[in-house]
Amino acid sequence: DQQVKQNSPSLSVQEGRISILNCDYTNSMFDYFLWYKKYPAEGPTFLISISSIKDKNEDGRFTVFLNKSAKHLSLHIVPSQPGDSAVYFCAAADSGGSNYKLTFGKGTLLTVNP
Amino acid sequence: EAGVVQSPRYKIIEKKQPVAFWCNPISGHNTLYWYLQNLGQGPELLIRYENEEAVDDSQLPKDRFSAERLKGVDSTLKIQPAELGDSAVYLCASSLEAGAYTQYFGPGTRLTVL
Repeated sequence: DQQVKQNSPSLSVQEGRISILNCDYTNSMFDYFLWYKKYPAEGPTFLISISSIKDKNEDGRFTVFLNKSAKHLSLHIVPSQPGDSAVYFCAAADSGGSNYKLTFGKGTLLTVNP
Repeated sequence: EAGVVQSPRYKIIEKKQPVAFWCNPISGHNTLYWYLQNLGQGPELLIRYENEEAVDDSQLPKDRFSAERLKGVDSTLKIQPAELGDSAVYLCASSLEAGAYTQYFGPGTRLTVL
């Protein structure tokens, strides 16, 4: 049973436009969420995170929105740049647990066209 | 600051052969993780170390997989014997401490079992 779902395997946007990547989770114990970016032949790189006490966190061009009632989060990239082309993973954790485990989604391949 | 170092980057072996992967975490990071990433999937935790202690190895297939983290720094993950289904990317990550959910990943070792 997949607890973190990224239902869009791929997304293509034009440079300068907004990219919106979505993530849904089923485990109500998850209260900390992270987005990672992965280029080919490299490991995932931390991008941005959000705690469940917030509904928005912003870092430059990247904003993560959290809708706890819908168990949904999204990553907005504005404006999108060709260098943003990568696989984006959503990850979730239960901060009240003792295992400090991250559960990852399958990823969404973002392609930003010049 | 140097990132997480892994070697080798690529490994091709025949089934039933042994293989070992090495990881050097970021200096000062007490927590070390080994992940398995299959094609088209997100990373899945195999084992987590706090210093020298393996505190979560519930997902490690112990019949053929073993790991060690001597002196609480470098770590080695071993498979013996390897099976065709073990072909995947093996990622090492580290974090400052267990409660720091932001994990920093190495580039991974891509294993191909023939």
